[in-house]
Amino acid sequence: QQQVKQSPQSLIVQKGGISIINCAYENTAFDYFPWYQQFPGKGPALLIAIRPDVSEKKEGRFTISFNKSAKQFSLHIMDSQPGDSATYFCAASRTGTYKYIFGTGTRLKVLA
Amino acid sequence: EAGVVQSPRYKIIEKKQPVAFWCNPISGHNTLYWYLQNLGQGPELLIRYENEEAVDDSQLPKDRFSAERLKGVDSTLKIQPAELGDSAVYLCASSTSPWKQFFGPGTRLTVL
Repeated sequence: QQQVKQSPQSLIVQKGGISIINCAYENTAFDYFPWYQQFPGKGPALLIAIRPDVSEKKEGRFTISFNKSAKQFSLHIMDSQPGDSATYFCAASRTGTYKYIFGTGTRLKVLA
Repeated sequence: EAGVVQSPRYKIIEKKQPVAFWCNPISGHNTLYWYLQNLGQGPELLIRYENEEAVDDSQLPKDRFSAERLKGVDSTLKIQPAELGDSAVYLCASSTSPWKQFFGPGTRLTVL
């Protein structure tokens, strides 16, 4: 119930393409879903986050799509750039717990 | 503003030896977290501090792991004795709210 399943494990996209990473959760008590970006040798950094009261959130080239009934959410990176090459983690949390359950990560490589 | 500082960045030790990691959070961040990140996995919470109080240590293996946050600022995570399976990256994060955690670069531990 506490797991967050993330796919794919790795992803290769051409420059300018769309990168899509998917996550699924089981615990319906989760009400906060952030995405973190991690470059080699660095800690994860918050990229974008969504709450289940909206179905989509967009910040620049990054969009989260959220499907509450399916208990799934995804990250879309539009016009992917080589600088986006990193590992992306989805996470889920419940208000008041301060505890994030992270997915296993997706290693994205954007080819120039 | 300065980010979360961790030291050392890398540590190689023999099994059964003790090891300690140090974290200096962002100034003013009352909440401090220690995470364990195994290779190819997302971070897993070990312990969370609110000021100097450990408010969630349910995932900390207390037989060999210990942590402290004296004066509610810097924190130290210790392993004694280290085992081969402890090889991982140990991340420290801090925050002023549960919705955005700022991660340090981590300490990569290798136990031989």
